[in-house]
Amino acid sequence: ETVMTQSPATLSVSPGEGATLSCRASQSISTFLAWYQQTPGQAPRLLIYGASTRATGIPARFSGSGSGTEFTLTINSLQSEDFAVYYCQQYSDRPLTFGGGTKVEIK
Amino acid sequence: EVQLLESGGGLVQPGGTLRLSCAASGFTFTNYALTWVRRAPGKGLEWVSGISANGADTSADSVKGRFIISRDNSKNTLYLQMNSLRAEDTAIYYCARQLYYFDQWGRGTQVTVSS
Repeated sequence: ETVMTQSPATLSVSPGEGATLSCRASQSISTFLAWYQQTPGQAPRLLIYGASTRATGIPARFSGSGSGTEFTLTINSLQSEDFAVYYCQQYSDRPLTFGGGTKVEIK
Repeated sequence: EVQLLESGGGLVQPGGTLRLSCAASGFTFTNYALTWVRRAPGKGLEWVSGISANGADTSADSVKGRFIISRDNSKNTLYLQMNSLRAEDTAIYYCARQLYYFDQWGRGTQVTVSS
């Protein structure tokens, strides 16, 4: 099983600032990585797939990068609706696995 | 518009059973794999079970032998039969449309296993 580790667990950011979230895989997953956003009481929302491709309707302030075992989600100029929990997920092998999440909170 | 609407959650005693449903609309149901993902209190997302477009199913080791995923293509509905429930199965259960990642999600249904 591929273990996904996200850091930090919590990130405190002021509105308008940027944020960088990390995700590490326990073995190489090429670019078979997705990122999701979840706000309280809402369904998770797909942000990024293929490590760097934005899903339909996702603003350009969200970008993903990385390959192999190290990945990054960057959010430029955080808006109020961006304060949420973010998860990475690998789909290189089975079972499909998620990271533990990074909570982005208002500083 | 793609919609996934879960139902069937509730409070159940340890050892009990529940059947979750997920009604799908807005897309060609038979073209897609579907999956159940859960989020336990204070924890992250966990893949539970998945079923391909042609009905092949897989499950996480944590639920294998207890949970059964199925689909009714005539009703555009996904199911999760949950047997021998344990306290650690307490979670919000989401259904999701699966490519390799999950591109559409429902809002979830709460399952609480407690005496």
